[in-house]
Amino acid sequence: ETGVTQSPTHLIKTRGQQVTLRCSSQSGHNTVSWYQQALGQGPQFIFQYYREEENGRGNFPPRFSGLQFPNYSSELNVNALELDDSALYLCASTPGHIYNEQFFGPGTRLTVL
Amino acid sequence: SQQGEEDPQALSIQEGENATMNCSYKTSINNLQWYRQNSGRGLVHLILIRSNEREKHSGRLRVTLDTSKKSSSLLITASRAADTASYFCATEASGAQKLVFGQGTRLTINP
Repeated sequence: ETGVTQSPTHLIKTRGQQVTLRCSSQSGHNTVSWYQQALGQGPQFIFQYYREEENGRGNFPPRFSGLQFPNYSSELNVNALELDDSALYLCASTPGHIYNEQFFGPGTRLTVL
Repeated sequence: SQQGEEDPQALSIQEGENATMNCSYKTSINNLQWYRQNSGRGLVHLILIRSNEREKHSGRLRVTLDTSKKSSSLLITASRAADTASYFCATEASGAQKLVFGQGTRLTINP
């Protein structure tokens, strides 16, 4: 148990819809990162938030956006869903903003039909 | 894109044997981390080795890092059925607040 929770566990959407995934970090962890993991691949970095501001972004289009809240929770929003967005979405938190192990949640499995 | 490559992609051994997985990466790093993932669920942190370290141990795990060759290895000794999982290396570069993962090694321990 890492103390990081994600909801929902599974989600099915259709192409063109919008989705919001949620993550609750450990208390005191003010950095949260989001990753996308396609089947059979390693996770790919989407973006990171530190103290409620975006602090780095990977090669993902603007329709992937996020929010971080003062209560250590965060959201990943994806607009105009595409079939290739089907993946496991992982959030991870750390107590600082550099060079620490990351504590991962169990993930949300998103299927886009 | 993935930073590193892991070798082998899949490994199947008998319980009690040792398992060795290798990871290569491309750019300078601040640290390298190994994670385990069971059945497509969340990743569990195993060990972090910094760029100025060459070897690190944690229980049955031994990790080496060779920054001149841009490579790392993870050794699991006396393997158990519960070690069956996918193992990923991830690098963290200086000034970059993100982990870059390899594609992973699927390890199967046969009883």
